[in-house]
Amino acid sequence: GAVVSQHPSRVICKSGTSVKIECRSLDFQATTMFWYRQFPKQSLMLMATSNEGSKATYEQGVEKDKFLINHASLTLSTLTVTSAHPEDSSFYICSARDRRAQFFGPGTRLTVL
Amino acid sequence: GDSVTQMEGPVTLSEEAFLTINCTYTATGYPSLFWYVQYPGEGLQLLLKATKADDKGSNKGFEATYRKETTSFHLEKGSVQVSDSAVYFCALSDRRVTGGGNKLTFGTGTQLKVEL
Repeated sequence: GAVVSQHPSRVICKSGTSVKIECRSLDFQATTMFWYRQFPKQSLMLMATSNEGSKATYEQGVEKDKFLINHASLTLSTLTVTSAHPEDSSFYICSARDRRAQFFGPGTRLTVL
Repeated sequence: GDSVTQMEGPVTLSEEAFLTINCTYTATGYPSLFWYVQYPGEGLQLLLKATKADDKGSNKGFEATYRKETTSFHLEKGSVQVSDSAVYFCALSDRRVTGGGNKLTFGTGTQLKVEL
């Protein structure tokens, strides 16, 4: 099946720094990419949807200036958590969709100290 | 808005036991329903899906039936294996799109552990 990769898989950073997470579709071109956030024992919460070359659409309650999304190509999307704080610590999952289906990356564990 | 409720885990079973993971949903219109599985260290993978009432999705011995009258999509397997140990997510899509989903709403996930 199609593969979606995320990098890094785990990151620890100091409060106030910015962290970039990459999401790549390895063997297909993604028309749309999604970013989710998952808290322990909770469901995946959609943060934003992005289409290549256009601005991301953020879900209600998600700060677009805090969570910058860039969908530079049909195979790459990045999520930058700006000025991270401990409450931003979470598991971030990206997903990429082509005409067939939606495929998920393995997730990135962010810990902000 | 749309929501998915699934039973809390973890669920621990012996190999060859019967598995049921309950899932109920709330949605307007006619959603598509999905079960995703996440093995340790991997991304979510689509396990099975159903796009309309009374449809039965099945894959790898797992099956689930879209029950509109009870708004449920319970996951079942007759005989689980150790290799089935994973986290299972029930989800719905607000568009009836085969295979892919538009905006997926997920349940909280149920961890399954199968022991010898």
